[in-house]
Amino acid sequence: EVQLVESGGGLVQPGGSLRLSCAASGFTVSTNYMTWVRQAPGKGLEFVSIIYSGDYTSYADSVKGRFTISRDNSKNTLYLQMNSLTAEDTAVYYCTRAVGGNQFDHWGRGTLVIVSS
Amino acid sequence: EIVLTQSPGTLSLSPGERATLSCSASQSVSSSYLAWYQQKPGQAPRLLIYDASTRATGIPDRFSGSGSGTNFTLTISRLEPEDFAVYYCQQYTSSWTFGQGTKVDIK
Repeated sequence: EVQLVESGGGLVQPGGSLRLSCAASGFTVSTNYMTWVRQAPGKGLEFVSIIYSGDYTSYADSVKGRFTISRDNSKNTLYLQMNSLTAEDTAVYYCTRAVGGNQFDHWGRGTLVIVSS
Repeated sequence: EIVLTQSPGTLSLSPGERATLSCSASQSVSSSYLAWYQQKPGQAPRLLIYDASTRATGIPDRFSGSGSGTNFTLTISRLEPEDFAVYYCQQYTSSWTFGQGTKVDIK
């Protein structure tokens, strides 16, 4: 059974950093396209980042230069390093698998990031 | 960036009724690279439809998708109590963007 479990969210001050993790089971992260999607409180879904096989990455303009997506194949885990956080980054962050880089067929339950002083 | 606009914002219907949700793209979505997701309160989104009209694994056949180019539709033939939720469309022909969502609530 495919499962994605996010962790690492919490309260952080503006300008701070946080690293989110997404532990995968039931499939291999290294051979799949993996993404992060976020949802601000009461708002819609926003694509954040994707990592392809071969470690090619892409980012939304809103996070480019501040966020870094990566993975640890030995741990079958996806990461999102978030730096220079602002209040606009407050959201639930979901980890997903993207089939061939297309539709997002499996989602984790999400982890909440709150950026506030 | 391809902008997706969903209509209506809210659809108030009764169980057993038919729901028709629309998703309009600012540019053509090539190869019908469009998906639909369902999200219930406090839960992650769930993939319903991909490639505009293919149901994802385990999705009941009362859900159907259609359309091409810039206009797409999600139809729920007969609403069940568990179908009241928010629905999002997403395109993956040029990067990845979502519509703002349509809420289907109980009339």
